[in-house]
Amino acid sequence: GAGVSQTPSNKVTEKGKYVELRCDPISGHTALYWYRQSLGQGPEFLIYFQGTGAADDSGLPNDRFFAVRPEGSVSTLKIQRTERGDSAVYLCASSLNGAEDYEQYFGPGTRLTVT
Amino acid sequence: KQEVTQIPAALSVPEGENLVLNCSFTDSAIYNLQWFRQDPGKGLTSLLLIQSSQREQTSGRLNASLDKSSGRSTLYIAASQPGDSATYLCAGGKSGYALNFGKGTSLLVTP
Repeated sequence: GAGVSQTPSNKVTEKGKYVELRCDPISGHTALYWYRQSLGQGPEFLIYFQGTGAADDSGLPNDRFFAVRPEGSVSTLKIQRTERGDSAVYLCASSLNGAEDYEQYFGPGTRLTVT
Repeated sequence: KQEVTQIPAALSVPEGENLVLNCSFTDSAIYNLQWFRQDPGKGLTSLLLIQSSQREQTSGRLNASLDKSSGRSTLYIAASQPGDSATYLCAGGKSGYALNFGKGTSLLVTP
């Protein structure tokens, strides 16, 4: 079946601009996660959704970052007033259920470059 | 915050060798543990999940074990092949959902 998809695959934006990154999870997966991976590092947790609600947003670096999942499926990560330090690969993952022992399946990521 | 260390950072072996990758956590209160591979410029592919009640998991030539008392996990790859060349990442966490990742082990298997 279809895996996790993310769009766009690459995004180049100027410092100060607003960007939206989209994630389409595996059908039927109620849990969705966003991570950020900088060059040479492992992914860092940003936020976790169970259904429509953000169950844990403790990894969001500051209030410029916001994510939504209004219908419990597709999620959008929104970054306001982008800074060069926001440049990274943003990864989305989904799992059958976030509260139990289920594998997280990752999408291909969106590479964000802030110039 | 949970810190994850992966040793070695890089490894080069000839085809056919068996090898072990190591992962350790600063906080041994791990809920479950997942191993991934990442190919250059790609996302993560899940290899194995050791669930909270398990100690090891096997898939084909791969075997992963988890010792919660010491906060350590190992990934064993048998009869390595050039197609195994990739970066291998371990990830675990207290909650079971917010994964903490290591920096990975970069593996090169030469023909």
